[in-house]
Amino acid sequence: EPEVTQTPSHQVTQMGQEVILRCVPISNHLYFYWYRQILGQKVEFLVSFYNNEISEKSEIFDDQFSVERPDGSNFTLKIRSTKLEDSAMYFCASSTVSESDQPQHFGDGTRLSIL
Amino acid sequence: AQRVTQPEKLLSVFKGAPVELKCNYSYSGSPELFWYVQYSRQRLQLLLRHISRESIKGFTADLNKGETSFHLKKPFAQEEDSAMYYCALSECWETSGSRLTFGEGTQLTVNP
Repeated sequence: EPEVTQTPSHQVTQMGQEVILRCVPISNHLYFYWYRQILGQKVEFLVSFYNNEISEKSEIFDDQFSVERPDGSNFTLKIRSTKLEDSAMYFCASSTVSESDQPQHFGDGTRLSIL
Repeated sequence: AQRVTQPEKLLSVFKGAPVELKCNYSYSGSPELFWYVQYSRQRLQLLLRHISRESIKGFTADLNKGETSFHLKKPFAQEEDSAMYYCALSECWETSGSRLTFGEGTQLTVNP
């Protein structure tokens, strides 16, 4: 069964540094998402992406964050200048269509640790 | 704004006992609800969605609009059911994707 893959599994970065988290969505999926989960808290929506542009973003997704689909397979989340509070598990997800009854498929996540 | 509440962070039952994981939601539209499961060190996986009205691994969940609930139930819990369970509500925007709003999660432990 096809899966969403994320790399790296764990990223350790100094505060203030830029970090790029990478995701390869399932190949025939058209809608891509990033979520994050701070330790001990719930999974939170960050952003959705369709047709090479952001379709929706949450209040968490400020100017420090950006997403890109640089080629036909990768979907990246960039944090420009990391802060301690960016430490979290970041999940990528994808889905075939936008209907709300269609499930999103998640990757294993990248654990981001900011020092 | 939509909200999903799972009142129990931890739930512990014995093997063979019935289990019910509670989920309540708040949403002004017509809700689409899901249960996701995360086994130890594994990814979030879709367990079931209300629209399909199916039973997966013996689990069922019924949408009760009057009580705004979507509780997950299994009549006889198994040890392999031990995992983190997340209730999620989907909000859809026309042709541009959907957003999942998750509950806090319930860690289910099934003891032998």
